[in-house]
Order: sequence, then structure tokens, then C-alpha cells
Amino acid sequence: LAKTTQPISMDSYEGQEVNITCSHNNIATNDYITWYQQFPSQGPRFIIQGYKTKVTNEVASLFIPADRKSSTLSLPRVSLSDTAVYYCLVALYMDSNYQLIWGAGTKLIIKP
Amino acid sequence: DAGITQSPRYKITETGRQVTLMCHQTWSHSYMFWYRQDLGHGLRLIYYSAAADITDKGEVPDGYVVSRSKTENFPLTLESATRSQTSVYFCASSGAQETQYFGPGTRLLVL
Repeated sequence: LAKTTQPISMDSYEGQEVNITCSHNNIATNDYITWYQQFPSQGPRFIIQGYKTKVTNEVASLFIPADRKSSTLSLPRVSLSDTAVYYCLVALYMDSNYQLIWGAGTKLIIKP
Repeated sequence: DAGITQSPRYKITETGRQVTLMCHQTWSHSYMFWYRQDLGHGLRLIYYSAAADITDKGEVPDGYVVSRSKTENFPLTLESATRSQTSVYFCASSGAQETQYFGPGTRLLVL
């Protein structure tokens, strides 16, 4: 069975680059990896998505190695407002079934 | 306004009562999802729907019923609420099968 594993918590300082890694096994070539951000009392918010190599948008980068057994969310020059919980999600298609494998979330705390 | 809305935002009910949580999206997304998030924990999928009149079980479907007669609505019903169903419920929708957009959540307390 597919499973995603991510660190429970991390902390860093304003202005630093933060990398959060999600480990995932048994994913197929076309299975997407997506990262979400969640603030207290709010629904998760989409950050970035990809399925191979590197994807970059205005807020983050996503690195996926060739073996696709992990992915790394990179947040450049974090600020206090980046304090949140970050979730990775792998969407799988197995036996005509759509499975969503969510990580347990990484609580990121940014210090001044 | 366009987007995804949930109602009610807060609900207190008693054990054994039936409760329906509403979800409405204005994007005409084909996929809709219901999750529960217990305090301090991650998301668990209850049910999802690929299109109107097509629904499928997620990780924790027991005690819940869904329907989707119209593309834009995806109500979740707790047939006989139990204390263990106290949680925050999030609805989400997706045009593609991977990028989900979440509603603000419904906080449900079962006494």
C-alpha cells in the first residue's frame, strides 16, 4: 500500500530557505504530488504540484528525484507568515479506484 | 461570489440526531470531496464524487451518507450522530483530479 511520510515539525528563521521532504513509495509515473498549506481554523490551500523533476511557481519549488520515492517542497526566504502546517498529497489510480494518500502534515514554525 | 462554500460553519447537535452539512461550488468542478480533520490531526477522506450521481467511499465512510444530484452541490449527512464524529469537516472540489480547492470548514460538536 502506498504511504506518505513527512516530518512532524520543523522550525527555521525569517529569511532562510526551508525544505520539507515527503517520502512516498509505490507511486506510478503519472501520479501527481501536491503540497498544501494550512493555517489554523482554515481549509488547506494549494501551494504547488508536479510529477517529475522540478516545478517552480511564485511561492515555492517542488523537487522530485528520478526514483520518485520522495519530493521536497522548498520555500525560499520564509517569513513569519509562513508558519503553518504543510501537507503532501499523492493521488493514485489503482484498480479503477482513485486513492488520495495524505501525509500527516509538517508543522513549520518560523522564528524572528 | 465564485468559490466553494460550506454551511453551517458551526453546528452543535446531540447524539443520535441526523445532521446534514452542505457544500456548494461555483466552478463546475467535476470532483468533490468530504474530509474530516480531528483536532491536531491530518485530513481523512470520507467520500468523494467524480461527477453528478457518482460517489465513492474514502478512508472513513462509516456513519456518513452523501449524494450528488447536481454538479455544484455535495451534501454530507450524518445519519445518527455520535460523539466520535465531533470534528471539523472540509469540503473540497477539483477540476483536475489533483488540485483541490477547500472550503472554510464546518465545526461540528456532538454532545
